[in-house]
Parts: sequence; C-alpha cells; structure tokens
Amino acid sequence: KQEVTQIPAALSVPEGENLVLNCSFTDSAIYNLQWFRQDPGKGLTSLLLIQSSQREQTSGRLNASLDKSSGRSTLYIAASQPGDSATYLCAANMIYNQGGKLIFGQGTELSVKP
Amino acid sequence: EPEVTQTPSHQVTQMGQEVILRCVPISNHLYFYWYRQILGQKVEFLVSFYNNEISEKSEIFDDQFSVERPDGSNFTLKIRSTKLEDSAMYFCASSGTYTEAFFGQGTRLTVV
Repeated sequence: KQEVTQIPAALSVPEGENLVLNCSFTDSAIYNLQWFRQDPGKGLTSLLLIQSSQREQTSGRLNASLDKSSGRSTLYIAASQPGDSATYLCAANMIYNQGGKLIFGQGTELSVKP
Repeated sequence: EPEVTQTPSHQVTQMGQEVILRCVPISNHLYFYWYRQILGQKVEFLVSFYNNEISEKSEIFDDQFSVERPDGSNFTLKIRSTKLEDSAMYFCASSGTYTEAFFGQGTRLTVV
C-alpha cells in the first residue's frame, strides 16, 4: 500500500530565502507525481507534474525533482515571498488505467515572513 | 483558463439526509474523481470515473455513496444517508489522458 510522507510538517522562513520541501513515497511504481498548493479553506491548485520518466520540472520560481528509485521528490522554492505562504501537498499517482488515483501526503505548511 | 467548478460551496445537512454534490469538470477531460479531506487530515481518494462507469473506488466509498454523470457536463456525488463522520471538504477533480489532475474549490459538507 502506497504511503506518502512530507517533511517538515511546518516551516517558517524569512522572505527571500530559498527553501526545499520534501516528499517520500514507499512504492516506487508511480506513474507520476504532482505538487499542489492549498490555501486555508480552499481547493487544490496544481503547481507541477513530474512524469515517472522525468527527473525534474520547473515553473517560474518552483522546481520539482523526482527520484523514483529512492522514493523521493523535492519542491524547491526560490526567493520565497509572503504570498507563497500556504500548505504544499505532494501526491503520487499510482499506475492504474490511464487516469489513476492520487495518494496524498499530509502537507507542509509554509509561512514566509516579511 | 478552464477550471473545475463545484456547487454548493458549503452545505449543511441533518444526519440521515441525502445530499448531492455537483461538479462541472473541464470540458475535454475524460477522467473524473472525487476526493475528500476531513479537517486536519490528508486528502483521500474516493472514486474515479471513466467512460460512464466507476474505474476504481476506495474502501470509504461504500454503498452509501454513488456517482453519476447525468449529462455531458455534470458529475455528481450522492451520499444517501449522511453520518456525522461524512463531514468533510469534498473535492471534485478531472484529468485528461496521462495529464495532471485539476481540482475544484471544494464543497464543505457539515452533517449535524
């Protein structure tokens, strides 16, 4: 059974700092891995999708990496801003048909202080 | 930008009542999902739906739950007889083939 874990559970940094959020999964037979942002009481906003054949994916100040063999993914946020404050979730998409299902971690709650 | 829309945003219902949560997935997507998030807990998979039938469902998705795509645009989740423990945020999502999943803003269901 796939288990997804995110460390740390919470992180507080000063504005401008670069930071790394960690995600680990127990079953390496994933099809892809997706990172989301969730603001309090809101929905999930997709940030990045990394296919299992990819090593990394970039969007603006965000860079996500994937190492299937070690069961790890990281989300790197460069030059953090107060607007980046949110909970960040990673989700492993299990190989199943063509749609799949996402197994989520518990999230890292990020606070960026001005 | 295309988005998944869910209605209502918040629903309060009495225990034992039936509720229907509604979703309009992104129009060219083929795969539809429901997830839920109990306050303070992980987002959990409930069910996936493709080609007008359930592809997979979790242990949570028991006989009290059902999904339907009644027309070409809507996707619904019905809970027949709600329990207190059904209180959660319910998210609808959709995806294309081998593409990322997009989520709606959620329906907060409160069972009293």
